[in-house]
Amino acid sequence: DTGVSQNPRHKITKRGQNVTFRCDPISEHNRLYWYRQTLGQGPEFLTYFQNEAQLEKSRLLSDRFSAERPKGSFSTLEIQRTEQGDSAMYLCASSLNGGGPNTEAFFGQGTRLTVV
Amino acid sequence: GNSVTQMEGPVTLSEEAFLTINCTYTATGYPSLFWYVQYPGEGLQLLLKATKADDKGSNKGFEATYRKETTSFHLEKGSVQVSDSAVYFCALPTGYSTLTFGKGTMLLVSP
Repeated sequence: DTGVSQNPRHKITKRGQNVTFRCDPISEHNRLYWYRQTLGQGPEFLTYFQNEAQLEKSRLLSDRFSAERPKGSFSTLEIQRTEQGDSAMYLCASSLNGGGPNTEAFFGQGTRLTVV
Repeated sequence: GNSVTQMEGPVTLSEEAFLTINCTYTATGYPSLFWYVQYPGEGLQLLLKATKADDKGSNKGFEATYRKETTSFHLEKGSVQVSDSAVYFCALPTGYSTLTFGKGTMLLVSP
């Protein structure tokens, strides 16, 4: 296993278009997280899944955002009607369940979204 | 809620210089504390962690001590290398398993 994989690495889209990103976590990890990182800021939590269940969503996740993990393996993050403020790096991470707050999260390289 | 404050960068050092990156936190109780590193073009990687007060985390020559008296978790390295150039993030858990990160501190090491 080569770690957490995200696709695409870069996405440029016109304002108002929909975009979808994919994340493939480390295969044995049942927790999957989405974070957003804007320039000069640290990653901000968006949502996380345990297996296929979406257990927590941040207030940052507006109703234009939707995330799925249909079979408890890969996940998709869709942004509808993109706005320029959505331009950011979208990071996916995964971890093993059961380790609590000490559990290490493994991050992908991210998808950089630019909305023009 | 839990939060983290890091010193602003960039921090510019010559090779073999001593590094300190300051991190202070606000939290309920005594959460675990983490340092993550992001090398150019790569994802975040866990650098080190400490799970309770007075613990010292260490890895790759970096160290950080969990100080509850000063609510700090400063990152140090005795002799930096060019390959240490990266962005460093202090973090702590929010809830059971999600993380709150600081804004990050860029380190630039010149030969």
